[in-house]
Amino acid sequence: QKEVEQNSGPLSVPEGAIASLNCTYSDRGSQSFFWYRQYSGKSPELIMFIYSNGDKEDGRFTAQLNKASQYVSLLIRDSQPSDSATYLCAVRGSSASKIIFGSGTRLSIRP
Amino acid sequence: ETGVTQTPRHLVMGMTNKKSLKCEQHLGHNAMYWYKQSAKKPLELMFVYNFKEQTENNSVPSRFSPECPNSSHLFLHLHTLQPEDSALYLCASSQGLAGGNNEQFFGPGTRLTVL
Repeated sequence: QKEVEQNSGPLSVPEGAIASLNCTYSDRGSQSFFWYRQYSGKSPELIMFIYSNGDKEDGRFTAQLNKASQYVSLLIRDSQPSDSATYLCAVRGSSASKIIFGSGTRLSIRP
Repeated sequence: ETGVTQTPRHLVMGMTNKKSLKCEQHLGHNAMYWYKQSAKKPLELMFVYNFKEQTENNSVPSRFSPECPNSSHLFLHLHTLQPEDSALYLCASSQGLAGGNNEQFFGPGTRLTVL
């Protein structure tokens, strides 16, 4: 079992709709959870982090965490073509210095 | 210069060459990281330095040798690499060890090709 799993996609969503990205992790001791966006040919940039169960909203983005189910998701409301990118889920596990990345989900917003 | 810079941006080397990648952060951070990103594989953490001390070596082959002379600079020395080492090498930094509010900022990466 991979430590952090994501559906590789591509996930195609019409402009204006809600894009839902999912991630599961294996380490029950994980403390912090991150969503990064990576445009093609660019480096990852942090969109959101979450470490408490429930929802965290920032603009059009909502991160959802369910530690009992070992599941974290990212919702993007009112999707724009500029949201088309690969979204990386990352988890800080029991080791304070180690962050494990998923392989990413490629999101495509169609006009 | 702002943020995290990496040089060179592109590097082509033979298997017998020795080269070094350089990373510099201008953010006043204390922790620095090397990651490897290969096609269709997750971003792999290689090394972590916190206040110039190595805190993580993620079972990286000895042909990769990191060096952190101070909190602002990080090097990755390369020697006798293999073609499968071809990848994008990303440097990152954070205020403290990444987690919670300690966001990692990534550099633009070095695209390495080993012939």
